[in-house]
Amino acid sequence: NAGVTQTPKFRVLKTGQSMTLLCAQDMNHEYMYWYRQDPGMGLRLIHYSVGEGTTAKGEVPDGYNVSRLKKQNFLLGLESAAPSQTSVYFCASSYWDRGTDTQYFGPGTRLTVL
Amino acid sequence: SQQGEEDPQALSIQEGENATMNCSYKTSINNLQWYRQNSGRGLVHLILIRSNEREKHSGRLRVTLDTSKKSSSLLITASRAADTASYFCATDVTGANSKLTFGKGITLSVRP
Repeated sequence: NAGVTQTPKFRVLKTGQSMTLLCAQDMNHEYMYWYRQDPGMGLRLIHYSVGEGTTAKGEVPDGYNVSRLKKQNFLLGLESAAPSQTSVYFCASSYWDRGTDTQYFGPGTRLTVL
Repeated sequence: SQQGEEDPQALSIQEGENATMNCSYKTSINNLQWYRQNSGRGLVHLILIRSNEREKHSGRLRVTLDTSKKSSSLLITASRAADTASYFCATDVTGANSKLTFGKGITLSVRP
């Protein structure tokens, strides 16, 4: 099993450009998440999904959109990138087991917006 | 301030010593989890402790939870250079619908 994979690993954008980050998991997990990690800030939840076709806002959703058309994929879109979106983005997935939720993370995408 | 706050922010120890990291939180939780992140990598789940548990062990890891003090500690015994990483506590807040809240992390350096 590949677990959670993210595409691309690195990307440099100019202000105003758009892009989509792809997250894929092969563990049949219901829940998927997008986080951003900035120095000194820990991980902050951007958007999440509790099942195919559903999405919800997290702590820092502004400037991002997501889609979950297939259970195994969770896409994060930046419509008009800003320098404040320079960050490392992590995708995670999880399943609900006896009231607990352990998350499995991808390797991350390092995004720089100039 | 954050739901989960780790202490200290950074810790440097000698190989073979024990490392103790603490996490405090503010609201009622279902469980608390600890994750490790090696440099340039994603987070990896280490151990989970439920709100009705007080202590759990997994290999060289020991985690405790004191819900009256809203705090947890992670102990790594007989540390190794390979334990060098950032460690995060994450709280599953009651009613948060499968979302975890992560702290800012503790940077652990284990000197050979």
